[in-house]
This record gives sequence, C-alpha cells and structure tokens, in this order.
Amino acid sequence: NAGVTQTPKFRVLKTGQSMTLLCAQDMNHEYMYWYRQDPGMGLRLIHYSVGEGTTAKGEVPDGYNVSRLKKQNFLLGLESAAPSQTSVYFCASETGTGANEQFFGPGTRLTVL
Amino acid sequence: RKEVEQDPGPFNVPEGATVAFNCTYSNSASQSFFWYRQDCRKEPKLLMSVYSSGNEDGRFTAQLNRASQYISLLIRDSKLSDSATYLCAVRTGPGGFKTIFGAGTRLFVKA
Repeated sequence: NAGVTQTPKFRVLKTGQSMTLLCAQDMNHEYMYWYRQDPGMGLRLIHYSVGEGTTAKGEVPDGYNVSRLKKQNFLLGLESAAPSQTSVYFCASETGTGANEQFFGPGTRLTVL
Repeated sequence: RKEVEQDPGPFNVPEGATVAFNCTYSNSASQSFFWYRQDCRKEPKLLMSVYSSGNEDGRFTAQLNRASQYISLLIRDSKLSDSATYLCAVRTGPGGFKTIFGAGTRLFVKA
C-alpha cells in the first residue's frame, strides 16, 4: 500500500496563476483533510471531507476550493494564487470510525511569487 | 487564545535525559488527544494516542489532565533519534471531524 500520496511535491507559481493539488489514498478511508503548515502556526485545516461527494470548510478556507468526486481522491484548488498562500500543504486521511489517527501525505511545498 | 497551545521550545537536552512537554487546550468538550512526531521537512506521524488513564509506550508516557485541560508527553532516556518536533492534537467529539494541532515543540537531543 502506498498510503497517502500527494502530487506535485514542489511547485512555484506566479501571483494570479491557478493550480490543483492532488491527494490520493489507498486505505479506503472515509475522511480526508487538507492542511497548510506555516512556521510558528502549526497545521491549519483548510477543507475536509467526510465522504465521497461531500466537503466542508475548515479554519482557513478562503482562496481554496476542493472536490471529492472519488473516495480515494481529494483535490485542492487555488483559483488565483497569492503570495500569502506560500506554504507547505499536507493532505491526511482517516478511517472515520474509532481510532481517529490521521495518516499524512509527504506534503507539497508551494511558493507563490 | 489559541485552541491548542504548546511551548515552541527548542528544548536542548543531552542523550539519556528525561524531557517533558505540555500542551493545553481550551475546549472542555474535547474527547480525543494525540501526540504526533514530525521530522524536519517530513509529514507528521502519530506517536501515540492519549488515554484518560495515561498510557506508556516504551520510553514514552502520555498523560491527560482534564481538570486543568492539558496533555503531557514524557520522554525518558532520550536518544539522538528523538530529535524532532512534537505536535499535540485535540479532537472534539462525538461527531467532531476536526482535529486541532498545536504549533509543535522542537526537541534537540545532543550527544
């Protein structure tokens, strides 16, 4: 099992450009999350999904959109990138029952110039 | 006030030392508690869940104090390989889907 994978690993964007980050998990998990991690801020929840076809806003959703068309995939979109979105983005998944342990992907390092 | 707060450190300790981290949370309805470990430029990985009665896993002991709303992590006999950032995480349930993470405590173990 690959666990949670993220593509791309690195990306540099110019202000105003758009992009989509892909998260995939092969553990049949119900819940999936997108976080951003900035120095001194810890992990902040952007959006999350508790099942295929459902999404919800987290703590810092502005400037991002998400979709969960398939259970195994959770996409994070930036419609018009801004320098404030420079960050490391982590995707995580969770079974949705019991333990609540989250499994994280390796992260995407995004720089917006 | 942040929902989950940790001392950012860094904690610099020699090999073999015992070190303890605390993490406070503001939501008294929180029900699940965790410690994650994050190595430099890597993703967080679960170190251990924290149970009401406290729990131990080898050199690591986690405890929960609901009255004072904090969790703790004790590392005994520190190893060089314990150098990492330790994140506490708190989840409110039942039905809560959000896990709130602290900003992390940086630990350096030196020879």
